[in-house]
Order: sequence, then C-alpha cells, then structure tokens
Amino acid sequence: DTAVSQTPKYLVTQMGNDKSIKCEQNLGHDTMYWYKQDSKKFLKIMFSYNNKELIINETVPNRFSPKSPDKAHLNLHINSLELGDSAVYFCASSDLLELFFGEGSRLTVL
Amino acid sequence: TQLLEQSPQFLSIQEGENLTVYCNSSSVFSSLQWYRQEPGEGPVLLVTVVTGGEVKKLKRLTFQFGDARKDSSLHITAAQPGDTGLYLCAGFEYNTDKLIFGTGTRLQVFP
Repeated sequence: DTAVSQTPKYLVTQMGNDKSIKCEQNLGHDTMYWYKQDSKKFLKIMFSYNNKELIINETVPNRFSPKSPDKAHLNLHINSLELGDSAVYFCASSDLLELFFGEGSRLTVL
Repeated sequence: TQLLEQSPQFLSIQEGENLTVYCNSSSVFSSLQWYRQEPGEGPVLLVTVVTGGEVKKLKRLTFQFGDARKDSSLHITAAQPGDTGLYLCAGFEYNTDKLIFGTGTRLQVFP
C-alpha cells in the first residue's frame, strides 16, 4: 500500500488552462503539505494543512487553491496556468517528526 | 523564511572515495533533517539531529549538527554507486515549525 499517493503523475497542458492534482495519505497523519520543486531541484513549501485547516500559505499566487475535504486528502487546484508553473509538485504528510512524500506530479505548461 | 545553503551543489566521485556535504544558514533551527531523493521519487528521511553538536551515524553516513544549530554536515565514507542521489538538508523553523529545505547536493558515484 502506497503511504502518500498523488495523481496524476504527469500532466501536460496549455497556458491558461485549469488543472487539479489529488493527494491521499493512509498514514493517519493530521498534517499535510504541498511543495513545489523547480528545475534546479529546489523544494519550496507552498501550503500546509492540519486536520483540514490551512496553517501555512507561503505567499503563493491566488491561482493556486488547496482543498482538504478530510484529513487524509489534500488536493491542489491551479487556475489560469502559466509557463512558470511548470515544476514537480510534491504532496507530503507528517507526524511532526518526519515528512512522508508522494512520488510527485510533474506539471508541464506549454 | 530562513535559507539553507548546501555545498557543493554537484559532486561526481569514484566508488570508494569519501565526501562531505555542508548545509549552512545564518539562522538557528530547532532541529535539522537530511533527506535523499532519487529520480522520479519523493525525498526520504535519512536522519534527524536535534541537539547542538550531535553526531549520528547511519552505516557509512555520519551526520553532525553544528554547536550553534545553524549548520550541519553529512560525511559519506567509501561511497558506493547506490549512494547516488539528491541530498537535501531541511531545518525546522523555531516559530512556525515549517520545514525549510536546503538548495540540494547532487551526488553521482561512478563504479
């Protein structure tokens, strides 16, 4: 069983489109995150949720809207995609000692 | 947000060599972690260091947390091709408990 699973793994889309990435964890953790990893492999935190509530919003454009329907799920919706949004997006969950990452979703905006 | 700089950024070595990766910041962290990331996968935790000056060993890997809790190092003895990957340090900010990642070190070990 995959602990943190993200879908889709790959996403290729045109500028201006809207897309979503889903994330689910079966570890029973209260805290989940979205990180963005750019082409230089720099991993930057975007959002953090604790038990469905937003606790960290790291000055991400309003076009990015996370949603947590329950503590096991944290989805990321992106409106009006731009070229600069191309990156690998990682979901993670945490027991506050360690982060467990999904395999990543590679988004390419053309 | 605090910044963690890693050096070197890239490292290519032969199997059997030793290496050290550094992680530096001007800020103090409550604890620091090291992760390894392989292509197509998410980072995986290697170790957490909490106390200033702490040294932890994981087989051929030795991790040290600086006395002032602003820096850390990872030393690998007799590197093997299986050590190839992206090594990321990450520190927990004191006030926010945000985990901030370093700039990364890409290690390639050739047989």
